[in-house]
Amino acid sequence: EPEVTQTPSHQVTQMGQEVILRCVPISNHLYFYWYRQILGQKVEFLVSFYNNEISEKSEIFDDQFSVERPDGSNFTLKIRSTKLEDSAMYFCASRVAGPYEQYFGPGTRLTVT
Amino acid sequence: AQSVTQLGSHVSVSEGALVLLRCNYSSSVPPYLFWYVQYPNQGLQLLLKYTSAATLVKGINGFEAEFKKSETSFHLTKPSAHMSDAAEYFCAVSPQGAQKLVFGQGTRLTINP
Repeated sequence: EPEVTQTPSHQVTQMGQEVILRCVPISNHLYFYWYRQILGQKVEFLVSFYNNEISEKSEIFDDQFSVERPDGSNFTLKIRSTKLEDSAMYFCASRVAGPYEQYFGPGTRLTVT
Repeated sequence: AQSVTQLGSHVSVSEGALVLLRCNYSSSVPPYLFWYVQYPNQGLQLLLKYTSAATLVKGINGFEAEFKKSETSFHLTKPSAHMSDAAEYFCAVSPQGAQKLVFGQGTRLTINP
């Protein structure tokens, strides 16, 4: 069964460093998402991406964040200058067109020290 | 703005007992509604969804949920709990026409032998 994959599973970085989280969505999906879950808190929407552009973003997704689909298969989230409060589990998700469910990857745990 | 409330951050039931996880949403029009399950160290897996069809929705692993517009609820039930049902359960809403999912806080389900 097709699945969303994410790498790495765990990333440790120092405050101020740039990180790139990588996702491979399911191949025939058209909509792509990033969510995050700070430990003990709810899953929060960050950004949605369709047709090679951001279609919606949350207040969390400020200028420090960017997304890219560089090669038609990968979908990346970049954080330019990490802060301690960026420590969280980051989930990638994708879906086909229509009111269908989003398929989630296993997540990348980002720890900023 | 859409919001989701899950009553009870932690629910504990005995094996074989009824499972009831509560979810209420706020929306001016009926949204699409989802239940996801997260097993330890894994991503979010769809249990079931409501997208304006039948109000009683059956999902995987014996779970079902009933959409009640008058109560703005979408509670998740399972007649007989199994040990393997122990996990975190998330209710989520997607406003019609929007792309993102808005999640509740999650309910951790514990099954006692």
